[in-house]
Amino acid sequence: SQQGEEDPQALSIQEGENATMNCSYKTSINNLQWYRQNSGRGLVHLILIRSNEREKHSGRLRVTLDTSKKSSSLLITASRAADTASYFCATSVSDTGRRALTFGSGTRLQVQP
Amino acid sequence: EAQVTQNPRYLITVTGKKLTVTCSQNMNHEYMSWYRQDPGLGLRQIYYSMNVEVTDKGDVPEGYKVSRKEKRNFPLILESPSPNQTSLYFCASSPLPRGQPQHFGDGTRLSIL
Repeated sequence: SQQGEEDPQALSIQEGENATMNCSYKTSINNLQWYRQNSGRGLVHLILIRSNEREKHSGRLRVTLDTSKKSSSLLITASRAADTASYFCATSVSDTGRRALTFGSGTRLQVQP
Repeated sequence: EAQVTQNPRYLITVTGKKLTVTCSQNMNHEYMSWYRQDPGLGLRQIYYSMNVEVTDKGDVPEGYKVSRKEKRNFPLILESPSPNQTSLYFCASSPLPRGQPQHFGDGTRLSIL
């Protein structure tokens, strides 16, 4: 099963509103990353938060991490139509395996102009 | 410009006809990976490589082969493609240590008839 699970699966909002997406995971992590995917394109890295960090900001993005609840949230403030995309969380786990990242199934965000 | 380049971008072929999807990165990254993306399943890792001549299976390696003879190239080989390998494929790379943000190619959409 997926290490990271996003919620909701789909989200539709009006331009100017805030969008919040959540990610839950199952095992201890080194870091958690958020990626964006425009339709039919590759994923683009947005932000990385380490396991010892609780909050991080990048422009209109705010990411929180709660390791006790094994969850993270991505907040996009003052959304724009250009933010329409799918958003994925990915976890780097604290095990001895060599796999680097495990991705969730994503949240599809639609921002209506 | 830092990039991961995949070719071809689109391919329609028939069952059993061997094909290769090429992937090349110009960032001198040690880590490279192949994923497939299917609706509702997110990204699943096929194979990854930590460095030249070092490859390992991901979550869904059956029916695929890879090689890493040079640091910049990581081709994905389907020796005898089947319809269940119809999917959107992504190559990605990152520096070590593992768990760093990954750079993705723009994807290859394969249709196996």
